[in-house]
Amino acid sequence: DQQVKQNSPSLSVQEGRISILNCDYTNSMFDYFLWYKKYPAEGPTFLISISSIKDKNEDGRFTVFLNKSAKHLSLHIVPSQPGDSAVYFCAASAAQGGSEKLVFGKGTKLTVNP
Amino acid sequence: DAGVIQSPRHEVTEMGQEVTLRCKPISGHDYLFWYRQTMMRGLELLIYFNNNVPIDDSGMPEDRFSAKMPNASFSTLKIQPSEPRDSAVYFCASSDHGNHNSPLHFGNGTRLTVT
Repeated sequence: DQQVKQNSPSLSVQEGRISILNCDYTNSMFDYFLWYKKYPAEGPTFLISISSIKDKNEDGRFTVFLNKSAKHLSLHIVPSQPGDSAVYFCAASAAQGGSEKLVFGKGTKLTVNP
Repeated sequence: DAGVIQSPRHEVTEMGQEVTLRCKPISGHDYLFWYRQTMMRGLELLIYFNNNVPIDDSGMPEDRFSAKMPNASFSTLKIQPSEPRDSAVYFCASSDHGNHNSPLHFGNGTRLTVT
């Protein structure tokens, strides 16, 4: 069973517009959420995170929103740039486990068209 | 900082052969993780080490898989005998605290193809 779900395998947006990537989770014990970005032939790199005590975290063009009641989080990229084209992984962990229990979604491939 | 280094980048082998994947974590990081990425299952944690000691290997698919960390700067993941369903990208990652205050640093992966 998938505890972290990214239901959209791919997303295509125009440069300058907003990209919204979604993620749902089922385990109510998850209290920390991360987004990783992956370019082809490279490993994932950390992008942004959010603790369950917050509902929003912003870092430059990237903002993550958390809706605990819906067990849903989203990553907003504004404005989107062609260099943002990559696969984005949502990940979650529980406090007791720390990152060793990091559970990843299957990823969403974002394409930003010039 | 050279980052996490994995070798080889690509490995093609025949079913039944032994495969060894290698990883050098970032110096000073005391947690090391092995992940496998497939289309069907995404990124799965196979095993992780803390201070060279295996802590949780519950993600290792079966006895054909084994991992070692003989010292703080080197780890191996071995598959013997390999099978076509083992074809995947294998990632090594390290972190310096093993908690979410210390995000994982991934290597560039080893793409394994078993024919």
